[in-house]
Amino acid sequence: EVQLQESGPGLVKPSQSLSLTCSVTGYSITSNYWGWIRKFPGNKMEWMGYISYSGSTSYNPSLKSRISITRDTSKNQFFLQLNSVTTEDTATYYCARYGSSSLLYYFDYWGQGVMVTVSS
Amino acid sequence: DIQMTQSPASLSASLEEIVTITCQASQDIGNWLAWYQQKPGKSPQLLIYGATSLADGVPSRFSGSRSGTQYSLKISRLQVEDIGIYYCLQAYSAPRTFGGGTKLELK
Repeated sequence: EVQLQESGPGLVKPSQSLSLTCSVTGYSITSNYWGWIRKFPGNKMEWMGYISYSGSTSYNPSLKSRISITRDTSKNQFFLQLNSVTTEDTATYYCARYGSSSLLYYFDYWGQGVMVTVSS
Repeated sequence: DIQMTQSPASLSASLEEIVTITCQASQDIGNWLAWYQQKPGKSPQLLIYGATSLADGVPSRFSGSRSGTQYSLKISRLQVEDIGIYYCLQAYSAPRTFGGGTKLELK
């Protein structure tokens, strides 16, 4: 069974970097696309970006040059780094898999989410 | 970016009632739309993709439809386990964008 698990610090200071790991079991990240999504307090959801099976990336322009998604195929993990965070980056962060075939453009498996608070 | 306007923001309904949630896209997105359900404390679960296709394991009381750039999710007979927040997601273009969510509660 495909499982995704986010991990990382729950508290980050303003202006610092937020770094999260998504550990995947039951499926290789060298297949499919893998994304990061966040849910703000108040329930708004935002697509942040993805990394593909080949390592190519795509990011939400709203995050400009602050975001980076990378991977370690030997550990079957992919990572999110968000620089220069502010309190507006406080959210629950999810990693998710894009499906295959007819589900190619949709998230079919999600991690349980990790809450990150930006505060001094 | 494509804007997805979801309504209502909240909804209170009775058991066995028919519930309808809608999303209006700011431009043509074809059938590139999904619906997700998020139960309290859980991650989102795919319900509908391609605007009308039921995801594996999803009860048949859920259905999706499209009229132009308006998309609807219908729950034919509301059950207790359907309580949660529902989101639409457009998969037509980057950046992917979500509707604002509909919080569904029991009356």
